[in-house]
Amino acid sequence: DGGITQSPKYLFRKEGQNVTLSCEQNLNHDAMYWYRQDPGQGLRLIYYSQIVNDFQKGDIAEGYSVSREKKESFPLTVTSAQKNPTAFYLCASSIDNGARTDTQYFGPGTRLTVL
Amino acid sequence: GQNIDQPTEMTATEGAIVQINCTYQTSGFNGLFWYQQHAGEAPTFLSYNVLDGLEEKGRFSSFLSRSKGYSYLLLKELQMKDSASYLCAVRDRYGQNFVFGPGTRLSVLP
Repeated sequence: DGGITQSPKYLFRKEGQNVTLSCEQNLNHDAMYWYRQDPGQGLRLIYYSQIVNDFQKGDIAEGYSVSREKKESFPLTVTSAQKNPTAFYLCASSIDNGARTDTQYFGPGTRLTVL
Repeated sequence: GQNIDQPTEMTATEGAIVQINCTYQTSGFNGLFWYQQHAGEAPTFLSYNVLDGLEEKGRFSSFLSRSKGYSYLLLKELQMKDSASYLCAVRDRYGQNFVFGPGTRLSVLP
């Protein structure tokens, strides 16, 4: 089945540690995105990538880093520089072929708790 | 600047009709999307508008007025499973980014 997978679903880390969240898609989508969602709030864009080996900062990139070495994979690292890392992290992808109907498809999310 | 507004919470009764409004001010416009998100889960796509007017999809309809920067999602024959958050998102002028509103949490009561 085609789709987007994120692992793990729940992640606990100690303050000061870096942690990497996985995102894999087999939809052959060019564009991939990382969002952060805090309780009762909408999605805020962290990073996005339209093509392999290229990515751009979103609205809240500070304290995060990404890589896009393969089309299928877009891992997000939450560094110790991120002041409030506890949140629900969502990965998404889209075809990005310029069609106006192109929507985003979301993974199941990773809930990160920093203790 | 980018700004999307939605009511924070709404309550409606099973079997009724509810309208969720969304107003937007963005640097560009290349389509408006509505997503449904159940608590703790990922958003799922509901509808899309790029031209003015109403798009109907079963119990769900979405309306757009580009001149007013306004959209609404209409849910008919409400069911308990419709209790969720509804997110309005605008795709920007370059067609690469989606700007999301804060979401409206809908509670459907028996």
